[in-house]
Order: sequence, then C-alpha cells, then structure tokens
Amino acid sequence: EIVMTQSPATLSVSPGERATLSCRASQSTSSNLAWYQQKPGQAPRLLIYGASTRATGIPARFSGSGSGTEFTLTISSLQSEDFAAYYCQQYNNWPWTFGQGTKVEIK
Amino acid sequence: EVQLVESGGGLVQPGRSLRLSCAASGFTFDAYSMHWVRQPPGKGLEWVSGIHQNNGRIDYADSVKGRFTISRDNAKNSLYLQMNSLRVEDTAFYYCVKGGFDGPGWGQGTLVTVSS
Repeated sequence: EIVMTQSPATLSVSPGERATLSCRASQSTSSNLAWYQQKPGQAPRLLIYGASTRATGIPARFSGSGSGTEFTLTISSLQSEDFAAYYCQQYNNWPWTFGQGTKVEIK
Repeated sequence: EVQLVESGGGLVQPGRSLRLSCAASGFTFDAYSMHWVRQPPGKGLEWVSGIHQNNGRIDYADSVKGRFTISRDNAKNSLYLQMNSLRVEDTAFYYCVKGGFDGPGWGQGTLVTVSS
C-alpha cells in the first residue's frame, strides 16, 4: 500500500497570499495524483488530476505540480472561499490511498 | 458531465446489513473501474473497495474484507455495496467514485450510521 503524507497539517495564510501544500508518496505514483478541496458538510471537490490538470470549472489560481513521489498544490492568491481542507490521493495503484489532509485557515 | 447518485444509507443496528446503490450517468460506465470511498464524520478519507470494468478484478480494504461485497450492473449503469455484519466503526459518509486516468469523479455521498 502506498502511504501518502501531507504537510503541513495546518497552514495559516492571509487572504491574497500564496499557499503551498505538499504531498509525498512512499513509492512512485507516476502522475496519477489528485487534489481535493473539502468544506464542512460537503463532498470532496476535485481540483487537480494527473498531478497538474485542473478539473472542469476550477479557477486558474489553483495549480498542481510534481511526479513520482513529490507533489505540490499551489493556490496563488487565497480567496475567502479557499479556506478549507485539502487532500491528496494516489490512484495509480489499488488500494487508492489518501493523505491525512491540510487545513488552510485564515491568519 | 459525470453524475453519480448514491442511495441506501440510513441508521442501522450493529450486526445488521445494508445495501448501497450508485446510479451513474454522463460517461461510458462499462469503460471505467468504480470504487467506494468512505469518510467518518470529521475524519479523513478511506478507500473501501474497487471493481474493474468487467468484474475481472475486485479488491477490498482489510477493514471490510469478508463483510462487504461490491458489484456492478453495466446494463443498468449501477454500482452496489452490500454491507453485512455492520460495526459502529463503519459509520461514515459513503461515496461512489469513478476510476480511470482521466480523473476521479465523485458522488455527493450517503450517510450510514451504525448504532444501537
């Protein structure tokens, strides 16, 4: 099983600032890596798949990079609606595995 | 547009059974693996089970192996999860998720609560 590790657990950022979230895999996932945003009471929302492809309707301020075992989600200028939990997921191998999440909170 | 609609959740006593269903539309259902992912309230995401396009491969998380059975009906564009011998720790939102390397697609989830 591939273990996904996200850092940091909590990120305190001011609106308008840049946020950088990291995700590391215990073994290569190629580029089969997705990022999700989740707000309380809602299902996860797909932001990025294939490590760097934005899902339909996702604003350009969200970008993903990396391959193999190291991945990054960058939010270029945080908006009020971006304060939420973010998860990475590998879907290269079964079982799919998820990171434990990064909570982006208002500084 | 991918649409996945789960149903069948609810309150059930420990040891009882429940069957979840997922109705799929907006994509070629029989071309994709399908999965169930769960999330206990306030906690992280856990993959539960997956089934290949043609039923050729099925796998389960260790936490549900021997109790849960995944199945699909490609003619009805539907995915199922039969959950037996339910435990309190199975309480979670259950999501139906489309596989494939063109990006996962998720339903809105159905809540399963196991409590006496």
